Parts: sequence; structure tokens; C-alpha cells
Amino acid sequence: RKEVEQDPGPFNVPEGATVAFNCTYSNSASQSFFWYRQDCRKEPKLLMSVYSSGNEDGRFTAQLNRASQYISLLIRDSKLSDSATYLCASGNTPLVFGKGTRLSVIA
Amino acid sequence: DTGVSQNPRHKITKRGQNVTFRCDPISEHNRLYWYRQTLGQGPEFLTYFQNEAQLEKSRLLSDRFSAERPKGSFSTLEIQRTEQGDSAMYLCASSLIGEGRAEAFFGQGTRLTVV
Repeated sequence: RKEVEQDPGPFNVPEGATVAFNCTYSNSASQSFFWYRQDCRKEPKLLMSVYSSGNEDGRFTAQLNRASQYISLLIRDSKLSDSATYLCASGNTPLVFGKGTRLSVIA
Repeated sequence: DTGVSQNPRHKITKRGQNVTFRCDPISEHNRLYWYRQTLGQGPEFLTYFQNEAQLEKSRLLSDRFSAERPKGSFSTLEIQRTEQGDSAMYLCASSLIGEGRAEAFFGQGTRLTVV
């Protein structure tokens, strides 16, 4: 089993929709969890950190479920500019990344 | 610009040649990481440093790969006798470990093409 697993998608959603991604991790000792956004041929950029049960930043909400070993990312009111690949990462050091989930927001 | 800086941004080399990439981390960060990413995959960990000490190396890091961080500031990643399978984006990231936080920030990457 891969240490961090994500549904690769693509998720194709209309503007204004709410979309959620899940990410499962296998290392129960992981203390740090992150969501990164990556645009095509660019570097990953930190979107959210999750250290306890969850975190919210505007339209984005991340939640951690330690019992089931997954984290989720919820995007409300999707914008065209949200189209990207969303990478989940877990671990203490170094971070271990999933393969990413591709999101396309359609007008 | 106070972010992570990588040079060069692109490198095309012939198979069998050696290449070296440089990474300048965020200045106050004590940890520096190298990752490799290919199309459709997430970043794969290669190695990391805390200050000048190389603390961990992945099994992905064959003996053709070597990394240094001589003064605990910038780092170099060298690939000897490049192979076509080395073609990838090489990403550097840095973080400041402390107070339970571990966010890593990436540079723009060096895209290597081995022909």
C-alpha cells in the first residue's frame, strides 16, 4: 500500500460547485498534513496545513480524521482559477506526497 | 525575492554527461529537501539536510546522485553519467522546523531533459 493515496480524478465541476477530495495515509505516526496546489509545469504551492482536526481558509476547508487515517479538502463556490492539481502530503520529515487529484472547473 | 531559488530552470544534456543543480533556500530555514517529479506523479523524496548534515537519503537516490550543503546554506545536487530515466523536474524545498510546524516551501524547480 502506498503511504499516501489520492484519487487522481479528473474532477470536472461547474463554476460555483462544491467539490471535495480525500487523501488516505498509512503512517499512523504522521503528525503533519498539508494540501498543496500545483499548476501545470509549476512548483507545488502550499495551500493549507492541518495539524489538528481541521483548518479553514475562505472557501477552502481541510479536515483530518485520525481514526480512519484520511484528510479531506473541501472547496466551496469553485472558481475557474481553482483548476489545478491538488497534492496531499503527510509525514513529519520528510513529507510524503500523493500523486495528486486533478480538478477542472468549467464555465 | 525571499523564496526558494533554483538554478538552472531548464537543462538539456546528452546521456552520459554530468549535471549539477543549485538550490538556495529561504534564508532562515534550517532544512532543505530535494524531490523529483515526473509527469502524473507527486514529488518523490530524494534527500534532505538539516543545516549542513545530510540526514536521510531515499532508495531512489542511486550512487550516481550526490547532494551537498557545505555551509548549511545553498545546496547542490549532482547527477553523474545521466540516463534518459533521469529526465524529470527536480524540486528543492526548505522548511523551518520548530514549534511543531513543518511547512515546506518549494522552488520553481529545474527541469532536466536527457537526450
